[in-house]
Amino acid sequence: EAQVTQNPRYLITVTGKKLTVTCSQNMNHEYMSWYRQDPGLGLRQIYYSMNVEVTDKGDVPEGYKVSRKEKRNFPLILESPSPNQTSLYFCASSPTGLSPSFGPGTRLTVT
Amino acid sequence: AQSVTQLDSQVPVFEEAPVELRCNYSSSVSVYLFWYVQYPNQGLQLLLKYLSGSTLVKGINGFEAEFNKSQTSFHLRKPSVHISDTAEYFCAVSVGTNAGKSTFGDGTTLTVKP
Repeated sequence: EAQVTQNPRYLITVTGKKLTVTCSQNMNHEYMSWYRQDPGLGLRQIYYSMNVEVTDKGDVPEGYKVSRKEKRNFPLILESPSPNQTSLYFCASSPTGLSPSFGPGTRLTVT
Repeated sequence: AQSVTQLDSQVPVFEEAPVELRCNYSSSVSVYLFWYVQYPNQGLQLLLKYLSGSTLVKGINGFEAEFNKSQTSFHLRKPSVHISDTAEYFCAVSVGTNAGKSTFGDGTTLTVKP
């Protein structure tokens, strides 16, 4: 089944403790992206990648890191999480960059 | 830079009534436009997209949208809604020069009442 998977689906952590949210797609898509969703703010793009080793900032990249060492994986790294990064995170992938397929989401709480 | 404004944060409507969810965009270059739906506690699903060609775009679940370049709008419509259409709807834009970068609106919550 063609899909985007994210792990973990739920995560509660404390301020400053480094964490990684994994994202994987099995569709051989070139483009992958990370978004955060907050009530009343819609989805905001954090980072996107056009291919292996090619990434660019979205609208809200501060406090996040990404890497694209393999085509199928695009992990999101929070080196020192803060409470304002509490959010619902979505990974997405697309062959063209347009109309991506979204993962199921990861709900992150930073206390 | 591109931007999207969804003009209504909440739209209540009775079952079987028509509905329009409004979306305006801003961009200095050619655009691609999308509508997504998010049902409660679920991810996002593509409803429809405008890439080029006919300005009237038909999507899933009976929805359609019209691209109006002069008004910079991409309003979503359905002639008769069902209870099951209750969800949050997002308008999104990408530009031709950088397809990987997407900008979403703040969302419109559609509530269909019996």
